[in-house]
Amino acid sequence: GAVVSQHPSWVICKSGTSVKIECRSLDFQATTMFWYRQFPKQSLMLMATSNEGSKATYEQGVEKDKFLINHASLTLSTLTVTSAHPEDSSFYICSARPNVDRGPANTGELFFGEGSRLTVL
Amino acid sequence: KNQVEQSPQSLIILEGKNCTLQCNYTVSPFSNLRWYKQDTGRGPVSLTIMTFSENTKSNGRYTATLDADTKQSSLHITASQLSDSASYICVVLFSGGYNKLIFGAGTRLAVHP
Repeated sequence: GAVVSQHPSWVICKSGTSVKIECRSLDFQATTMFWYRQFPKQSLMLMATSNEGSKATYEQGVEKDKFLINHASLTLSTLTVTSAHPEDSSFYICSARPNVDRGPANTGELFFGEGSRLTVL
Repeated sequence: KNQVEQSPQSLIILEGKNCTLQCNYTVSPFSNLRWYKQDTGRGPVSLTIMTFSENTKSNGRYTATLDADTKQSSLHITASQLSDSASYICVVLFSGGYNKLIFGAGTRLAVHP
């Protein structure tokens, strides 16, 4: 099946530093990728939609200057948490939508990365 | 308001038993409904995707049903295994003018030996 790779899978950083998380689609091209955060025992919360070659679209309440998204190629999107604080500690997950539908026609099948656990001290 | 509600919130069953997870949604219009399995500390993995015209879809021991009239879906797990312990997330694709996935909070299933 389609593979989406996230790196790093876990990271610990000091408060005030910036952390970059990568999301790569390994065997397909994706113009659109999505970033989520997930708190313990809660479901995924969409943070932003990443579009290759254009600005990301952020969900209401998500600070675009805090969570920088860059989608420089059809296989790579990055999320940078700037000036991280302990409250930014969370599980960050990306998903990618293949440009060519792999599942049932027109369903917009998504493939998720394995997630990146960020701990800010 | 477009919402997806899942029940129960958590469930414990014995290995080998069957179980059914519920998903009620108010998303309208919608294109499809998905069930994902998420192991702890991992990303979600797709189990089934059903369009509004489909009533049932199976994937091994997982069978999903969809009633678009009552806006209900269920995920039935047959002959549960320890590896079925995970969160199961119901997701509905809202298609009213723009596409947006609406996530349920998930059901946390624990299968005990």
